This record gives sequence, structure tokens and C-alpha cells, in this order.
Amino acid sequence: GEDVEQSLFLSVREGDSSVINCTYTDSSSTYLYWYKQEPGAGLQLLTYIFSNMDMKQDQRLTVLLNKKDKHLSLRIADTQTGDSAIYFCAERTDKLIFGTGTRLQVFP
Amino acid sequence: GAVVSQHPSWVICKSGTSVKIECRSLDFQATTMFWYRQFPKQSLMLMATSNEGSKATYEQGVEKDKFLINHASLTLSTLTVTSAHPEDSSFYICSAIAGELNEQFFGPGTRLTVL
Repeated sequence: GEDVEQSLFLSVREGDSSVINCTYTDSSSTYLYWYKQEPGAGLQLLTYIFSNMDMKQDQRLTVLLNKKDKHLSLRIADTQTGDSAIYFCAERTDKLIFGTGTRLQVFP
Repeated sequence: GAVVSQHPSWVICKSGTSVKIECRSLDFQATTMFWYRQFPKQSLMLMATSNEGSKATYEQGVEKDKFLINHASLTLSTLTVTSAHPEDSSFYICSAIAGELNEQFFGPGTRLTVL
């Protein structure tokens, strides 16, 4: 079955790095995504990684994919207060399946 | 990037009334649109997949007679919540596929409150 899990909450100090983890179960995923959702708003695509890649870096964002363990992570370098939001990972099979979401809180 | 809009952004209605939510792709043609529902502090749950000119495909557990979806053109899909009840109160988000990478773009969401 399709099941995408994330830890519920992460709190970091401004300027530190944040690492948000995600585990999925469907090995036939083609793409894996990270989305950001601010309060009362829709989803913003942050980055994505093709399933045959191990790592992708995009400015402050680094995505690591361990396909063997079905583990995906998002590292945000130099985390800012504006990064406070809920982060969803998602895997694409025949449809897009979202993780449970991680609420990131950044404090000064 | 591509823009998806939703209207209205929020709506309050009485129990038993029907509510229509519009989803538009503003600068691209979307052959496929999706409707999601998100309860407070929860993830997005796919309700249905809507293809232009054909009947929507509903996920298990979603009542097709209660959540009517019409994808009449390549830029517009509508979701009608018929005879809404308080348990239908939720955040409804649509998305549309665009481009060669089949990237999904999301609308800003519609918050429905049924009294």
C-alpha cells in the first residue's frame, strides 16, 4: 500500500540547518517532491528529485534519497524565520501521495 | 511557473446548501486536474482526478454524488459540494498538471465552513 510518513514537528534556531525526514513504501515512485505550505495557503513546490538520483542541491535546499531504505530528506541550510511552515514530502506513482507533514518552527 | 487559481478563497454556508468551487489554470491548458481535501493539521487527501471532457475518477470512500466534479474545459474544473453538512467543512485544494515534467501546480485553496 501507499504510506508516506514524516515526523510531526521540528524546532530549530535561526541560522542553524534543518533536516526533515520522510519515509515511503512504494518502490515504484518515479519522482519525489518537497512542498511548503504556509498557514491558510496552498502548496508551493520547493524541489523534486528523480527516483534514480541520490542527491539534489538547489541553493539552501539539499535533497537526499536513499532508495534502498525508501528514505527521503530535505536539508535547509541557514534556516530563517520565513522558513517556518509545514513541509510535505510526496511520492508520485500513478498519482501524488502526500506525507503526513512536518511543522517547522524557527525561533530567533 | 504556471498559476492555478481557486474561487472563492473562503465560503460559509448553511447546512443543506450546495457550494461550487472553481479551479482555473491561468496560463496553461490542463488536461488533468486534481481535487484534494485537507482537514486541520492533517495532510492532503486526494478526492478525485478530473480529466477534461470525461467523468472524474474518485478515490475510494469519496461519494461521487456528493462531490460533483465537472471539467468542462482545459482551463476550468469545478467541485460542487451538494447538501453540505458541518463534517464537510475543510480546506479544498485543486491542482493541475502542466509541462513536459508533468509538474503539479496547486491552487491557493478554498476554506469551506458549513454551519
